Amino acid sequence: DSGVTQTPKHLITATGQRVTLRCSPRSGDLSVYWYQQSLDQGLQFLIQYYNGEERAKGNILERFSAQQFPDLHSELNLSSLELGDSALYFCASSVAGVEQFFGPGTRLTVL
Amino acid sequence: ELKVEQNPLFLSMQEGKNYTIYCNYSTTSDRLYWYRQDPGKSLESLFVLLSNGAVKQEGRLMASLDTKARLSTLHITAAVHDLSATYFCAARPTYGGSQGNLIFGKGTKLSVKP
Repeated sequence: DSGVTQTPKHLITATGQRVTLRCSPRSGDLSVYWYQQSLDQGLQFLIQYYNGEERAKGNILERFSAQQFPDLHSELNLSSLELGDSALYFCASSVAGVEQFFGPGTRLTVL
Repeated sequence: ELKVEQNPLFLSMQEGKNYTIYCNYSTTSDRLYWYRQDPGKSLESLFVLLSNGAVKQEGRLMASLDTKARLSTLHITAAVHDLSATYFCAARPTYGGSQGNLIFGKGTKLSVKP
């Protein structure tokens, strides 16, 4: 158990819908990273937040957005969902950027 | 743009044998990571390599880093079935705005057979 929690574990929804994935970092970790894992694209970095502010952006679609709240939990919002958005979404956290600890992931299925 | 390549992508080993997984990265990186992933599970951190010549060992796994060659290796000694999993290497870019995130290789799916 890494100490990073993610909810929900599984999410099944329809095309065109919007969902919110939630992540709570390890106690004391200020950075939160979101990654997408799919068979086609492998593991891809989406976005990073540090202490509430966006720090870095990767291959994140415009339909996706994220934020980090004052209590340091983070949410990833996915809208206008397409079949190709079906993937495992991981959140990771770190305190000083040396090591990233990954949560259990949210498996999103878009039908 | 940093790119990370692993090979082989699939590895079928017999128990008791040794093998090495290779990880090449394309531009300067200050940190190299190895993760293990079991099917449908999260990524478990195995090693973090921070400097040239770094070597770390845990059980039957040993990782090393050569920053001049931009190469890291994960050596498996006397493989056992419990090591069957997918192994990812990842590197952290040192330039540009994305300094915190990791760039992952495609992973090496290891299957250890009796």
